[in-house]
Amino acid sequence: NAGVTQTPKFRILKIGQSMTLQCTQDMNHNYMYWYRQDPGMGLKLIYYSVGAGITDKGEVPNGYNVSRSTTEDFPLRLELAAPSQTSVYFCASSLEPGGRSTEAFFGQGTRLTVV
Amino acid sequence: GNSVTQMEGPVTLSEEAFLTINCTYTATGYPSLFWYVQYPGEGLQLLLKATKADDKGSNKGFEATYRKETTSFHLEKGSVQVSDSAVYFCALSDRGGAQKLVFGQGTRLTINP
Repeated sequence: NAGVTQTPKFRILKIGQSMTLQCTQDMNHNYMYWYRQDPGMGLKLIYYSVGAGITDKGEVPNGYNVSRSTTEDFPLRLELAAPSQTSVYFCASSLEPGGRSTEAFFGQGTRLTVV
Repeated sequence: GNSVTQMEGPVTLSEEAFLTINCTYTATGYPSLFWYVQYPGEGLQLLLKATKADDKGSNKGFEATYRKETTSFHLEKGSVQVSDSAVYFCALSDRGGAQKLVFGQGTRLTINP
């Protein structure tokens, strides 16, 4: 059972470069999320999606874009990398709760450094 | 808006010591509360949760009780092990909606043998 898979695990970008962080889940979860984790800080929500074709901004969306063309995949795009985007990025998914909270399942993270 | 405040770290204890990591929250309505754990080099995984006032979540010897009157969800363990060394995150999510999580800043726990 793969769960949530993120690629790549590590990446170094130069300022101004672009890249896409890939995220796929095999649990048929409706909800997917992208968080970033800065040193000594909790995770902050970048974007989220409640289903294919539906995305919405989180707390820190500037400099990022997302798409959700299938239930399984939720890629995160950085168009013009900046040093402030150096962080660890986590993708997560969860089931539509149906009135009860359910847990979120996290990928192993992508460590991105912008130089 | 919603927020979570966690006890400042890092925390260093000896094996078999008693552990408490404090967590308080601010939220509208009745959020669900979670503790997530992050082992070195890994993603976060759910440790325990509570969905309503006075619920107690428990797992792997860890416990936390949802205290609405003090808006708290403190994590406790009676006897810690070296394998408990990790970063612990307190979090909340709104009922319904998109279940977005709001995290505390995390507490790094190191257990020495």
